[in-house]
Formats: sequence, C-alpha cells, structure tokens
Amino acid sequence: GAVVSQHPSWVICKSGTSVKIECRSLDFQATTMFWYRQFPKQSLMLMATSNEGSKATYEQGVEKDKFLINHASLTLSTLTVTSAHPEDSSFYICSARDSRNNQPQHFGDGTRLSIL
Amino acid sequence: GESVGLHLPTLSVQEGDNSIINCAYSNSASDYFIWYKQESGKGPQFIIDIRSNMDKRQGQRVTVLLNKTVKHLSLQIAATQPGDSAVYFCAEGGLYNFNKFYFGSGTKLNVKP
Repeated sequence: GAVVSQHPSWVICKSGTSVKIECRSLDFQATTMFWYRQFPKQSLMLMATSNEGSKATYEQGVEKDKFLINHASLTLSTLTVTSAHPEDSSFYICSARDSRNNQPQHFGDGTRLSIL
Repeated sequence: GESVGLHLPTLSVQEGDNSIINCAYSNSASDYFIWYKQESGKGPQFIIDIRSNMDKRQGQRVTVLLNKTVKHLSLQIAATQPGDSAVYFCAEGGLYNFNKFYFGSGTKLNVKP
C-alpha cells in the first residue's frame, strides 16, 4: 500500500534553532500534502496544505513565517519550524494524497519535536 | 484561559465484546467522513470511510453509521481484540474544502483481556 515517510522521527534541539522536517510519498505522487500538529492527549490540528509548485495555504491562526512549507517535488514536502521555542514542542504529522485517485490521505508516522 | 482537550474520553471493553465509538461533527457541508486509528507514537491509520450519500458502511469487523440529521458518526467494532486498543478519531471533510480534513477530539479504546 501507499507509504508516507517522515524524517526525522524524533529531534531535540536548543531554543532558537530552526528545524526541518521532511515528508515523502514513497510509492505515489502527491500534488497535495497536509501538515498537522498534535499535542499530548489531543487531536490532530490541521496547520497547512502544501501544494506542489505553489505556496502553501495556512489555517487560521498558524504563523506562515514561523512554519515554512516547501513542496518542491511531487514526492517531497518540508516543514521548517523557524527559531523554535519550547512552546513549539509537539508531534508533527504529515499526510499525502495520491494524485491519481480519490483515495483518502495516507499519514506518516510523525516527528516528535522537543525544544529545550 | 481554559484548557480543553487535555483528557481523551476512554472506552473500556472486554475482549470479545463489541465496541461503539461516537463522534459529533460540526460542518453540515462535510460530505466525506473517515475513521482513523492512532497507536501511541504513530500516525493515524485509515480504518473505514463513508460518503454523505450513505448512512451505513461495513468493513471487516467494523461498521460506520452516519446520521446527517444530527451530524453524528459512529464506529462499531465487532469482537474487539487487544490489538484494537488505540485512540480513534473521526475526520470530516470533502470536496467542498479541497479535501482538507478536520479531526474530532478522539476516543481512547482500552480492551481488557
């Protein structure tokens, strides 16, 4: 089946650092990918829609300058958390839709980000 | 300010029993609904979906019921197994919003052996 891979799965870094998270569709092309954020014991919150070859669209309340999204190819979207602070610590999850069909999104296994 | 969503509701069932997990969705324009299962430290895993032109759909050991009148969705799991222990989320969305999906608050299913 379709697989979405996220890297890294876990990262710890110092406050003020920028962190890049990759989301790859391994066996299908995805013109659209989605980025979610999840706090412990809470639901997934949609942050933004990543569109191949164009700007991402952000949900209300999500700072686009804080969470930079790049979707440069049909199989890769990146989320960069700029100048990360402890309150940015969270579980970040991406998903991707296969461009060829109308199947539901496939999710990656998430990236746990801890900012010290 | 008030903190919300700090505790997931938990459903505890005995192995072999049937489980029913409920979800209320918010947008009457949503035309596509999905149930996801999330195990600890992993991303959501697709279980079953249903479109708004249906009120029931069955899969292997799972059934989803949709009541558009009251904007309610349920997931029934037959003969629940320990491997079913996880957090279950419903998600609503559809063509009206370019296939973006918004997740409900989730229910933790605890299966007792």
